[in-house]
Amino acid sequence: AQSVAQPEDQVNVAEGNPLTVKCTYSVSGNPYLFWYVQYPNRGLQFLLKYITGDNLVKGSYGFEAEFNKSQTSFHLKKPSALVSDSALYFCAVRDEPGNMLTFGGGTRLMVKP
Amino acid sequence: KAGVTQTPRYLIKTRGQQVTLSCSPISGHRSVSWYQQTPGQGLQFLFEYFSETQRNKGNFPGRFSGRQFSNSRSEMNVSTLELGDSALYLCASSLGQGGTGELFFGEGSRLTVL
Repeated sequence: AQSVAQPEDQVNVAEGNPLTVKCTYSVSGNPYLFWYVQYPNRGLQFLLKYITGDNLVKGSYGFEAEFNKSQTSFHLKKPSALVSDSALYFCAVRDEPGNMLTFGGGTRLMVKP
Repeated sequence: KAGVTQTPRYLIKTRGQQVTLSCSPISGHRSVSWYQQTPGQGLQFLFEYFSETQRNKGNFPGRFSGRQFSNSRSEMNVSTLELGDSALYLCASSLGQGGTGELFFGEGSRLTVL
């Protein structure tokens, strides 16, 4: 079975400061990991994914994520937050090619000016 | 390239009625997945279709059903609506089934059950 946990319901950060949104996962095999962002009344937009290779993955809008196998984590990061980054962020995992994508509960990011 | 299109965007139904939601995937995408999003339960997987066959199914009652047509368009149906079915229903498409590919989501159909 596969599962994802996002331990923080909300993360608050000041504009210009670095941000981290946490994600931990549980899978039986090798994980395929994804981050998505959702703006109000919109669908989810893909940010980045880890499949294999370099543990640091770079994605859209300046976001990056670090895969840590020993800690089973895939935290989302950005060096300098923007007010426009305020949104709902979802981490997702798939452990077998034929499995569906399982999402975490989401973390609301609030960036204040 | 057009994105994933979901219709209708908003709808209001009463308990006991049924509803059909439609999803047109990105051209060339053969896999369509459906998710239910609610404030309390987050994103819950409903089902996934690939080449007109249901490949995966989530833990929802039989009132929730779906299908995929030969042009990859998909519909989902909810019969005997309950208040708890009020949610944003999201459709997502991808080139193939599962694998390493990401999902591309539509903007959703917001269902309100009164």
